[in-house]
Amino acid sequence: DQQVKQNSPSLSVQEGRISILNCDYTNSMFDYFLWYKKYPAEGPTFLISISSIKDKNEDGRFTVFLNKSAKHLSLHIVPSQPGDSAVYFCAASVSNDYKLSFGAGTTVTVRA
Amino acid sequence: DAGVTQSPTHLIKTRGQHVTLRCSPISGHKSVSWYQQVLGQGPQFIFQYYEKEERGRGNFPDRFSARQFPNYSSELNVNALLLGDSALYLCASSHRGQGLKFFGPGTRLTVL
Repeated sequence: DQQVKQNSPSLSVQEGRISILNCDYTNSMFDYFLWYKKYPAEGPTFLISISSIKDKNEDGRFTVFLNKSAKHLSLHIVPSQPGDSAVYFCAASVSNDYKLSFGAGTTVTVRA
Repeated sequence: DAGVTQSPTHLIKTRGQHVTLRCSPISGHKSVSWYQQVLGQGPQFIFQYYEKEERGRGNFPDRFSARQFPNYSSELNVNALLLGDSALYLCASSHRGQGLKFFGPGTRLTVL
């Protein structure tokens, strides 16, 4: 039962432009959302998170938007840089729970 | 500070064998979680341990077991290996059960 879905397996963007990654969820109990970034041969590293009491969280070049009514969140990377080329995972949890539910990931390729 | 460490890095086993994977959490972290990432999918939750007690278990068969030691390190054991157990096994540590999870580099298990 896939409760978190990333429907775009890949995204190619030119350096300097915006990358927009999308994520949908089905479990209305989820109230904490995270984005992880993963390079080959490394574990996922935390990028940014958002609580359900907010609709936007910003950290430098990274902004996450949450639309609770649509059960949708997105990650914006502006401007995209070559080092951003990686797999990005969307994850969600219930705040008093212990586990993360992950999407399948989106592979981002930033072209020079 | 050292991050989450996992051993071994790679492992090749044959069907029916047993495997033990090891994880050392970040110093001061008392919770360890295990995730399985099959190629092309996101990480799937297997277990979480907090203060040496199992706090959660994902939808995995009884062939999978784990434990946490007094120093908060952890082992994941898989018996009677199947071809479908081939995956990247990720360990994550957090200060508390519900805290932000930091992932190790993973152990790549190949079952032939």
